[in-house]
Amino acid sequence: GQNIDQPTEMTATEGAIVQINCTYQTSGFNGLFWYQQHAGEAPTFLSYNVLDGLEEKGRFSSFLSRSKGYSYLLLKELQMKDSASYLCAVPSILTGGGNKLTFGTGTQLKVEL
Amino acid sequence: GAVVSQHPSRVICKSGTSVKIECRSLDFQATTMFWYRQFPKQSLMLMATSNEGSKATYEQGVEKDKFLINHASLTLSTLTVTSAHPEDSSFYICSARDLDINSPLHFGNGTRLTVT
Repeated sequence: GQNIDQPTEMTATEGAIVQINCTYQTSGFNGLFWYQQHAGEAPTFLSYNVLDGLEEKGRFSSFLSRSKGYSYLLLKELQMKDSASYLCAVPSILTGGGNKLTFGTGTQLKVEL
Repeated sequence: GAVVSQHPSRVICKSGTSVKIECRSLDFQATTMFWYRQFPKQSLMLMATSNEGSKATYEQGVEKDKFLINHASLTLSTLTVTSAHPEDSSFYICSARDLDINSPLHFGNGTRLTVT
């Protein structure tokens, strides 16, 4: 089975940096995804990590440590529009091939002035 | 980029009726599609994995006779909520990926179901 933990809520100031952590336990590791979801909308893909280290993509970066079962999403130069839920997700392999994605509970980020 | 279209975006129905939700991959073929449900302020919970040409695989606790899934082609999967009850009111989201299993899921825009 899989277990994914994230903080429920975080608040940060516009222009600042925020780090959203995710710890996971999985029977087999096949990478880790981060998604952003605004209220009432579908999730949108942010990043995918399969190797240890930091992946930078503009204002957003994602870090992975497989030995620690730990990832974080780093958001720089926060903007008001970054207020959203951030979901950590890990895939598990399906018997017939392919994989399914299990999501963490999500971290609701609120960006304030 | 890959686009997943979900229809309808919003539906209100009476208790006891059935509602069908469609999920289409517009510019890629999806042998597997996934159906998620999300209650307010909660995360996405996988309901079932829809496989083209075969029966869906349901997650534990999801009633397969209540949530009927059909995946008749490589671009279309449908979810039918049968004999809907108010507790079925939720946000239903489908997703699909192309043939690369390490590629990200692409989500439809979701269907807000309200059962009165």
